[in-house]
Amino acid sequence: GQQVMQIPQYQHVQEGEDFTTYCNSSTTLSNIQWYKQRPGGHPVFLIQLVKSGEVKKQKRLTFQFGEAKKNSSLHITATQTTDVGTYFCAGSPTGANNLFFGTGTRLTVIP
Amino acid sequence: GAVVSQHPSWVICKSGTSVKIECRSLDFQATTMFWYRQFPKQSLMLMATSNEGSKATYEQGVEKDKFLINHASLTLSTLTVTSAHPEDSSFYICSASRGLGTDTQYFGPGTRLTVL
Repeated sequence: GQQVMQIPQYQHVQEGEDFTTYCNSSTTLSNIQWYKQRPGGHPVFLIQLVKSGEVKKQKRLTFQFGEAKKNSSLHITATQTTDVGTYFCAGSPTGANNLFFGTGTRLTVIP
Repeated sequence: GAVVSQHPSWVICKSGTSVKIECRSLDFQATTMFWYRQFPKQSLMLMATSNEGSKATYEQGVEKDKFLINHASLTLSTLTVTSAHPEDSSFYICSASRGLGTDTQYFGPGTRLTVL
């Protein structure tokens, strides 16, 4: 079945360090979305990527969609304590009518 | 904006009772609503997808008679956990989408269910 995997599962960084989480799909995706869930909160939509090789930026966050549309990454530059949370990618297989959430990467930022 | 509310935010009930959770899209019409279950420190597990006026589509392994879903209008979906047992204790989150299942999902704040 369809699987969307994320690595790493957990990441501890010192405040100011960079952070990257990777999302991999077993099948080609029509689009990829990224969500952030703060501790005790609910997932909040961050961004959607549609085109092969697409790169989007939101302040210190950079999102990439792979050329083959099977993988994606989220990179945070100079992490801050407000970046703490679990980051989920969610992909929609081409032709499917569903969004499959990745396993998530929990980020801890040490002040 | 796209605001989704859930009620109640937390509930404690005795084993054997039924619990209804409501999910409402407050400022948009939700063609599709989703119900997820999340265990502590784990990912979201999709339980079912529902479209207004039609039967919900349940994911494999999710008992439809146990988790009753009703999507009565474009702004309201309900999840009823019937004859709840302690193993049903979890964080239940709904989400709503304006369009198809592949569109952006707007999540509710979640409902924490504890079954004694």
